[in-house]
Amino acid sequence: GQSLEQPSEVTAVEGAIVQINCTYQTSGFYGLSWYQQHDGGAPTFLSYNALDGLEETGRFSSFLSRSDSYGYLLLQELQMKDSASYFCAVPKGAGTALIFGKGTTLSVSS
Amino acid sequence: GAVVSQHPSRVICKSGTSVKIECRSLDFQATTMFWYRQFPKKSLMLMATSNEGSKATYEQGVEKDKFLINHASLTLSTLTVTSAHPEDSSFYICSASTGTDSYEQYFGPGTRLTVT
Repeated sequence: GQSLEQPSEVTAVEGAIVQINCTYQTSGFYGLSWYQQHDGGAPTFLSYNALDGLEETGRFSSFLSRSDSYGYLLLQELQMKDSASYFCAVPKGAGTALIFGKGTTLSVSS
Repeated sequence: GAVVSQHPSRVICKSGTSVKIECRSLDFQATTMFWYRQFPKKSLMLMATSNEGSKATYEQGVEKDKFLINHASLTLSTLTVTSAHPEDSSFYICSASTGTDSYEQYFGPGTRLTVT
């Protein structure tokens, strides 16, 4: 089966940089995704890594090391609106449902 | 991007009654949709995979007779919570992808179910 571990909470101030780590155990690997979810809302896709290295999308970047079964989400120039829960997720199989980590609650203060 | 809708957004029902939640892909066809359940401040737990034209695949521990899933068309999947009890109160979210080779899933806005 699959399992993912990530920190439960992270706090930071506006303008700072935050890194949210995720370690995973999977029976097969089909990529690591990151989703953002605001309170009461739906998860929204942030990024995906299938190969080792860094993927950059604006203020958000995601990194993957398959040999270490590890990835992270990097959020730069934090804004208050970035306060949300962030989930790492892996597919059960190719093109299938996602298994989510427990989520990291990010609180950004001014 | 692709849009997934859910209806209703909120529903309150009495114990013992059944509730149907609809999940629609608005601008794409989805042969497969997924149903998740989320408790407050918790992660999303996969309940089942809904397959168009065939039976749903349920995750271990999910009662298929209690959570009935129907995927009658390429744009609609329904989840019916039968004989609801207060412990079924939760946030139910569906998702779909635009293809089997797509890594991005699009989530509906969720349905908040409260059973009194």
